[in-house]
Amino acid sequence: GAVVSQHPSWVICKSGTSVKIECRSLDFQATTMFWYRQFPKQSLMLMATSNEGSKATYEQGVEKDKFLINHASLTLSTLTVTSAHPEDSSFYICSANSYTEAFFGQGTRLTVV
Amino acid sequence: SQELEQSPQSLIVQEGKNLTINCTSSKTLYGLYWYKQKYGEGLIFLMMLQKGGEEKSHEKITAKLDEKKQQSSLHITASQPSHAGIYLCGADVANAGGTSYGKLTFGQGTILTVHP
Repeated sequence: GAVVSQHPSWVICKSGTSVKIECRSLDFQATTMFWYRQFPKQSLMLMATSNEGSKATYEQGVEKDKFLINHASLTLSTLTVTSAHPEDSSFYICSANSYTEAFFGQGTRLTVV
Repeated sequence: SQELEQSPQSLIVQEGKNLTINCTSSKTLYGLYWYKQKYGEGLIFLMMLQKGGEEKSHEKITAKLDEKKQQSSLHITASQPSHAGIYLCGADVANAGGTSYGKLTFGQGTILTVHP
């Protein structure tokens, strides 16, 4: 199947700093990618849809100014958590579709201290 | 009510027993995914179903999608401790044209414990 690579796998940052997470489709092009978040002991929730060359679409309750999404190429979407706070600590995971099938990255565990 | 209901929330079984996890959508699906996850780690893809009435098997795990494409079940035969983990169903809801939005809605997850 297609491969989606996410980097970093884990990151620890200080409160108030920004963290960038990358999501790459390695062997296919993706005009659309999706970002999900998973809090401890909860399921995955869609945060936003990343659109190549245009603005991302955010789900209700997700602050677009806090979670900056850039999809500058057909193989790369980035999620930047700005001014991170401990409540942003979570597991972030991206996905992209190759033909009609969704493929997920490995996920990024963010811990804000 | 939830768009996607997964049950049970947790399941404790003795090794060797069979078990079933269910996932029900209030909307017609384009596709239904099953994943396994260990706490704090990424998703392990198990199976994807797209056709009504479809059934797929891999080793001791079988997944089915009903004819109406709104309900799926995951069945594990002769469970082993290695099957323990969190099972998630992910629904790709069909749009008005019957095709995929691309994004998935996830069930609440089922925590499976298998006692040796």
